[in-house]
Amino acid sequence: DQQVKQNSPSLSVQEGRISILNCDYTNSMFDYFLWYKKYPAEGPTFLISISSIKDKNEDGRFTVFLNKSAKHLSLHIVPSQPGDSAVYFCAVTDRYSGTYKYIFGTGTRLKVLA
Amino acid sequence: NAGVTQTPKFRVLKTGQSMTLLCAQDMNHEYMYWYRQDPGMGLRLIHYSVGEGTTAKGEVPDGYNVSRLKKQNFLLGLESAAPSQTSVYFCASSLGGGGTDTQYFGPGTRLTVL
Repeated sequence: DQQVKQNSPSLSVQEGRISILNCDYTNSMFDYFLWYKKYPAEGPTFLISISSIKDKNEDGRFTVFLNKSAKHLSLHIVPSQPGDSAVYFCAVTDRYSGTYKYIFGTGTRLKVLA
Repeated sequence: NAGVTQTPKFRVLKTGQSMTLLCAQDMNHEYMYWYRQDPGMGLRLIHYSVGEGTTAKGEVPDGYNVSRLKKQNFLLGLESAAPSQTSVYFCASSLGGGGTDTQYFGPGTRLTVL
């Protein structure tokens, strides 16, 4: 039973437009949320995170939104660039569980078209 | 700073063979993790370590053993490889635990078990 779902396996966006990647989770105990980006033949790299006490966190072109009542988070990339083409994973954790565990979604492959 | 390195990058095994994957980090991180990534699934935690000499089970530990004899190294062993262990294996490390310390990933090891 998946606790974290990324329902869109792939997404194509024109360069300069907004990319919106979505992630849903089931457990209200999760209180810290992250996005990782992964290029082929490389390990995932940290992109941006948000704590459950916030509903928005921004870092340059990347903004993460958290809707706790809907158990939903999204990553907005504006403007999208061809170099953003990668697989994006959301990850969630319960910081006070003591398990030190991230639970990852299945990933969304973003393709930014020049 | 090399960050997190993994050896080997690729390996093909026959069913029943054994092997050890090596992860090394030069960031003086306390926490280290082993994940596997399979098609259509997110990264799943196999084992982790919260410090030198410690190990703990993650989400999918069966068929694997780990050791953390030195702080900078985390070894993942397969005693008797099975085709179900065909996967891409990622090692990660973080300064602390609890989820808010960013996990840094290695480039991965692609393992095929025939």
